[in-house]
Amino acid sequence: TQLLEQSPQFLSIQEGENLTVYCNSSSVFSSLQWYRQEPGEGPVLLVTVVTGGEVKKLKRLTFQFGDARKDSSLHITAAQPGDTGLYLCAGAGGNQFYFGTGTSLTVIP
Amino acid sequence: NAGVTQTPKFQVLKTGQSMTLQCAQDMNHEYMSWYRQDPGMGLRLIHYSVGAGITDQGEVPNGYNVSRSTTEDFPLRLLSAAPSQTSVYFCASSFSPRGGEQFFGPGTRLTVL
Repeated sequence: TQLLEQSPQFLSIQEGENLTVYCNSSSVFSSLQWYRQEPGEGPVLLVTVVTGGEVKKLKRLTFQFGDARKDSSLHITAAQPGDTGLYLCAGAGGNQFYFGTGTSLTVIP
Repeated sequence: NAGVTQTPKFQVLKTGQSMTLQCAQDMNHEYMSWYRQDPGMGLRLIHYSVGAGITDQGEVPNGYNVSRSTTEDFPLRLLSAAPSQTSVYFCASSFSPRGGEQFFGPGTRLTVL
């Protein structure tokens, strides 16, 4: 059972453009994380959001946790080729992490 | 610190063979887990452990066994490999399952013929 749905699944944009990736669920999570994964490597944590309505900024990346703690978004401003990768959201519930389906981002120079 | 290490990096098996994927961490994390990653499906939890001697099933446990005799090691055993188990396997560790950062190993790419 896939608890977290991400959209879009694939995204190809030009350098300098803005983009938003969505992570949606019908379940409530105690926290939500965003990871980035590069080919041939394991995912690496970008951010953890805990409070409903929370907004965190990491340079050009802005993360938001929904008020009901069921959904989240990742917004990238002025995308760069180095942002290319697979972005995964993960919700923490009980003793498990539930991962989303992933968004594959390609930023074209 | 080496972080989370996994061996082997690549493996090819024939249907019916068994093998063990090794995972070790040197961060003294209590929580460890195994995931498989397949195209378009993100990461799916196979088994996890909240401490030495304690293991539990995740979303897709069938065909896999785990044990946790020490804090550092969390091996994953494939009992009788099937082509459906062709995937990339990741081991991860965390200080806490309640929102703590998960540190992932480099993965094992397994092909079952």
